[in-house]
Amino acid sequence: DAGVTQSPTHLIKTRGQQVTLRCSPKSGHDTVSWYQQALGQGPQFIFQYYEEEERQRGNFPDRFSGHQFPNYSSELNVNALLLGDSALYLCASSYRQGLGETQYFGPGTRLLVL
Amino acid sequence: AQSVTQLDSQVPVFEEAPVELRCNYSSSVSVYLFWYVQYPNQGLQLLLKYLSGSTLVKGINGFEAEFNKSQTSFHLRKPSVHISDTAEYFCAVIPIYNQGGKLIFGQGTELSVKP
Repeated sequence: DAGVTQSPTHLIKTRGQQVTLRCSPKSGHDTVSWYQQALGQGPQFIFQYYEEEERQRGNFPDRFSGHQFPNYSSELNVNALLLGDSALYLCASSYRQGLGETQYFGPGTRLLVL
Repeated sequence: AQSVTQLDSQVPVFEEAPVELRCNYSSSVSVYLFWYVQYPNQGLQLLLKYLSGSTLVKGINGFEAEFNKSQTSFHLRKPSVHISDTAEYFCAVIPIYNQGGKLIFGQGTELSVKP
């Protein structure tokens, strides 16, 4: 049973560029959440997708957007990259927006913005 | 709004010694509580969670945590640590009304187990 997978594992971009990160949820899961983890910090919630719609959003600007596909996989897009966007981006999956359900995390994509 | 405070940023301990990682939270509503572990260059793995019932929760790898509602704490304990427990530990909460399951994390505690 494959867990949550993310691609790519590492990425280097320059300021002003755009980036797309990808996530495939754990088998049987239909909800995907994205978190940003800056160095030395705890993860911060970006947004969550369920039934192909953004259901909840954290305190992140509109430069951060996402999408969920019919197969439940998801993309995170960040436009106009800033140096401060450098972080580990984590994807987590769960079942049916899972109140109290365990969120399973992927290994993350490490983004470096130069 | 909710917040989570992990009282120690770093905890060094010798192998086979007991350890306690402290977590306090602030919330005007009831919450569910979680402890996650992050090994170097990896994602987060759930250690244990408290939803309801017994306030003493047992998790994987010999860890346990106790929910104290009056003190708004959820401290993580292990009676005897191993070198392999060296990792970053995160405490997190979700308000019980939040159907979206937005986890709110603390800053993390780095556990360093020395031989």
